[in-house]
Amino acid sequence: AQKVTQAQTEISVVEKEDVTLDCVYETRDTTYYLFWYKQPPSGELVFLIRRNSFDEQNEISGRYSWNFQKSTSSFNFTITASQVVDSAVYFCALSEAGGRRALTFGSGTRLQVQP
Amino acid sequence: EPEVTQTPSHQVTQMGQEVILRCVPISNHLYFYWYRQILGQKVEFLVSFYNNEISEKSEIFDDQFSVERPDGSNFTLKIRSTKLEDSAMYFCASSAGPGVGTDTQYFGPGTRLTVL
Repeated sequence: AQKVTQAQTEISVVEKEDVTLDCVYETRDTTYYLFWYKQPPSGELVFLIRRNSFDEQNEISGRYSWNFQKSTSSFNFTITASQVVDSAVYFCALSEAGGRRALTFGSGTRLQVQP
Repeated sequence: EPEVTQTPSHQVTQMGQEVILRCVPISNHLYFYWYRQILGQKVEFLVSFYNNEISEKSEIFDDQFSVERPDGSNFTLKIRSTKLEDSAMYFCASSAGPGVGTDTQYFGPGTRLTVL
């Protein structure tokens, strides 16, 4: 069975600090997909990134970067120079290949960015 | 930019009543999903739907739940006899297809269901 663990329940930082959100996953499949979603206070789920298991290249998008390491089954998310608008709950999620597309979510990390 | 829409945004119902939650997926998407999130908890998969039939469901999706695509645009979740524990945010999602890069699920804004 697949599992996603986000050990950090809540993180509080001051604006402009860098912050890393951890995600550790478990799966028996060799092909799988990893995702990060953002849930702002308004409640919707906003897609941030998708990663395939065969692509370990790290990705940067503006202030956001993702570090995927298969050796440690981790897919961590870093926000550089955090801003108040980054305050949200961030979910890491996993789906397996082979026709099964259900997302398994972690429990989420609540990020509070103080001005 | 195309988006998933859901109605109503908030539904209040009495225990034992039937509710129908509605979703309009992104127009060229082929796969549809329902998830739920009990307040303060993780998002949980309920069911996926493709080619007019259920392709996968979780153990949460028992006989009180059903899904339907009644026309070319709507996708509905029906809860036949609501229980207090059904109170949650229900999210609809859709994805384009099974190919690499096309199976990202995009979520609607959610329907908050409150069962009294």
